[in-house]
Amino acid sequence: DAGVIQSPRHEVTEMGQEVTLRCKPISGHDYLFWYRQTMMRGLELLIYFNNNVPIDDSGMPEDRFSAKMPNASFSTLKIQPSEPRDSAVYFCASSNGTGGGEQFFGPGTRLTVL
Amino acid sequence: SQQGEEDPQALSIQEGENATMNCSYKTSINNLQWYRQNSGRGLVHLILIRSNEREKHSGRLRVTLDTSKKSSSLLITASRAADTASYFCATERGSARQLTFGSGTQLTVLP
Repeated sequence: DAGVIQSPRHEVTEMGQEVTLRCKPISGHDYLFWYRQTMMRGLELLIYFNNNVPIDDSGMPEDRFSAKMPNASFSTLKIQPSEPRDSAVYFCASSNGTGGGEQFFGPGTRLTVL
Repeated sequence: SQQGEEDPQALSIQEGENATMNCSYKTSINNLQWYRQNSGRGLVHLILIRSNEREKHSGRLRVTLDTSKKSSSLLITASRAADTASYFCATERGSARQLTFGSGTQLTVLP
């Protein structure tokens, strides 16, 4: 298996622009998680899905953030409009609900908002 | 808020020495997991210990869990330069599958 795939790996954009991050989970995994990592706040859970349904989005910082999972093999995290404080590394992870609970992380998208 | 807090925040040792990292948490858990993150990379799962377990081994890793003290430790024996990374504990609680991560320990193993 290729593991969790994220794209793009790096994104540099200007304040006010829309940013879309993409994730393909491991086939057969029914949980998908979006995290944000910064030096100041560490690793924060933004939202997670179970069987494509959002379960908990309490970590989504503002209405500027939205996430979708239209099918079991694809999810997006969108920021519109982006702000400099959104600069961070965004990780997607997936897990198998019938497994032990370990999560498998993608390589991350490093977002820089100028 | 972060459920798990690791200490120390940073640890520097010589190759061949053992490295011990600690994690404390606040509420009851289903399990506690340790992850490793190399610079610029995603997190990699190392080991999971359930709330009814006290100790677990995997290769050079040894994890202990003390639910009465709400703490865990990760021991890496005979460390190698390649073990240089950040190590995070994460707790799973309740019926959800979400994890709450600690702030991490940056381990540097000097050759």
